[in-house]
Amino acid sequence: NAGVTQTPKFQVLKTGQSMTLQCAQDMNHEYMSWYRQDPGMGLRLIHYSVGAGITDQGEVPNGYNVSRSTTEDFPLRLLSAAPSQTSVYFCASTPIKSYNTEAFFGQGTRLTVV
Amino acid sequence: LAKTTQPISMDSYEGQEVNITCSHNNIATNDYITWYQQFPSQGPRFIIQGYKTKVTNEVASLFIPADRKSSTLSLPRVSLSDTAVYYCLVGDPILTGGGNKLTFGTGTQLKVEL
Repeated sequence: NAGVTQTPKFQVLKTGQSMTLQCAQDMNHEYMSWYRQDPGMGLRLIHYSVGAGITDQGEVPNGYNVSRSTTEDFPLRLLSAAPSQTSVYFCASTPIKSYNTEAFFGQGTRLTVV
Repeated sequence: LAKTTQPISMDSYEGQEVNITCSHNNIATNDYITWYQQFPSQGPRFIIQGYKTKVTNEVASLFIPADRKSSTLSLPRVSLSDTAVYYCLVGDPILTGGGNKLTFGTGTQLKVEL
């Protein structure tokens, strides 16, 4: 059982380049989300999804796009990378439960924009 | 969402019990208290969740007083491998999408030494 898989693990981009961070989960979870973590900080929510075809913005959505065409995949797109987007990005998935706040996180993608 | 306050860092030695206290004075009636653990270069991992009194699992115990304005995560007999950042989160499982929309603070950096 792989859980939540993120690719790539490391990436260096030049300012203005675009790229897609991949996230896949094999737990059949309806909910998925993307966070970024800057040095010495907690995680901040970028975008989230409650099911295929449904996405919404989190706390820091500017500069990022998402789509959810399948239950398993939730890619995060940077359209024009900026140095301020240098961060570690975590994807998470969550089963539908009203009594629990347990999310399952991937290993992260460390992105550097130069 | 209820604001949480926890120590920035704590030091301990192998074999000792570690108690990390989190303050959440404005916790709401439907809020649960959840703790996550994050090792360097990894995504956060769910440790334990509770609503009131005491909850225990194979990893930790969570103590919540009757007024629920604080909570204490207890790690019995820590080892070097328990060195990590520990996050206290407070929120309504329904409003947070069962863990889909989590709000992390900066956490407590626990360092365990020999």
